[in-house]
Amino acid sequence: AQSVTQLGSHVSVSEGALVLLRCNYSSSVPPYLFWYVQYPNQGLQLLLKYTSAATLVKGINGFEAEFKKSETSFHLTKPSAHMSDAAEYFCAVQGGGSTLGRLYFGRGTQLTVWP
Amino acid sequence: GAVVSQHPSRVICKSGTSVKIECRSLDFQATTMFWYRQFPKQSLMLMATSNEGSKATYEQGVEKDKFLINHASLTLSTLTVTSAHPEDSSFYICSAPDMRQNTGELFFGEGSRLTVL
Repeated sequence: AQSVTQLGSHVSVSEGALVLLRCNYSSSVPPYLFWYVQYPNQGLQLLLKYTSAATLVKGINGFEAEFKKSETSFHLTKPSAHMSDAAEYFCAVQGGGSTLGRLYFGRGTQLTVWP
Repeated sequence: GAVVSQHPSRVICKSGTSVKIECRSLDFQATTMFWYRQFPKQSLMLMATSNEGSKATYEQGVEKDKFLINHASLTLSTLTVTSAHPEDSSFYICSAPDMRQNTGELFFGEGSRLTVL
């Protein structure tokens, strides 16, 4: 079974500060992992994905995430926050086998960026 | 990337009426589409898997007679909320995997906000 835990429902940072959003996963198969961003009243936009290639994954808007199997983690980081980064972020793990294509989402982390 | 479009983006209806939401894959074919529901400030809950040419697969606890899903073509799935009530008010999002990619990456529609008065 697959599941995702996002630690911290709210994260606040100052503009220019490091952004760290935490995600731990549980998966019975080698996982595909994703980070999505959602702006108010909009769908989800893919930030980045891990699909068993390089463990450090670079995404859009300066975000990156590192897959650490030993820690079952896939934390999202950005060196310098921008006001436009304020949004809801979801970590997700993709089901394998008969559930290929299904995503299991974490509860989300609301990122607030202060000027 | 692939494009998935939902329509309408917002709909307001009276209690007891039915509302249809469309999900289209614009530049790829999707034999499978997923319907999610999102409550305010919460995560996405998978409601059902829509299968082209066959019955949808519903998640536990989702009323199949309340949420009718039809996947009549390789580019269109519809979700009909029947006899809608205020508690059905929510943000509904569809997604489809683009199987042209090895990972079957999911692409999401813009979402449809349903408000039942």
